[in-house]
Amino acid sequence: GAVVSQHPSRVICKSGTSVKIECRSLDFQATTMFWYRQFPKQSLMLMATSNEGSKATYEQGVEKDKFLINHASLTLSTLTVTSAHPEDSSFYICSVGRVDTGELFFGEGSRLTVL
Amino acid sequence: AQTVTQSQPEMSVQEAETVTLSCTYDTSESDYYLFWYKQPPSRQMILVIRQEAYKQQNATENRFSVNFQKAAKSFSLKISDSQLGDAAMYFCAYRSERYGGATNKLIFGTGTLLAVQP
Repeated sequence: GAVVSQHPSRVICKSGTSVKIECRSLDFQATTMFWYRQFPKQSLMLMATSNEGSKATYEQGVEKDKFLINHASLTLSTLTVTSAHPEDSSFYICSVGRVDTGELFFGEGSRLTVL
Repeated sequence: AQTVTQSQPEMSVQEAETVTLSCTYDTSESDYYLFWYKQPPSRQMILVIRQEAYKQQNATENRFSVNFQKAAKSFSLKISDSQLGDAAMYFCAYRSERYGGATNKLIFGTGTLLAVQP
């Protein structure tokens, strides 16, 4: 079964609204989760590293006030796209690293469409 | 900073034939992992194979094998007996093992779109 669950898989929203995407680690506790963004036919670009109990670490060029990340528990990280605009339409993927085995697991991804 | 380069945007192979996807990387670190991920149209990322940098032996997983050339910083993926289900986008990725291991980020290449012809 899935190790990492991401929800919702698809979301359509109006411009100016905020959208929250959840990433859950189902099998193990995760102190660190990663959020990626993928445009059509392009690679995955790391947006930020989500750290449980502390502030997320954002990659250069990613607006932290635009993409709010909260890692409130060892099994849940959320990405909130605030005041979404059409250019925020993309595929967002989370991943979780398992420290004891070194394995990395990916969520199913969330397709955001902003009208 | 580390970088990963995939110079083949698209590749095509006949069913049952063998294809090799190229990947080069740049790093000053000595301890790292390299990965090949497959992303089918469903967009779910699937781990194909991984290689620890300290291991000289090339990793293999059934029909998938790598040619890891550490000095040349090259990490190619060979798919033998290609099947229609192998058609997907393939990403090469690098992860430092310094300090954090699995808590370190993956750095992806730009991807190679593989088509398998029946």
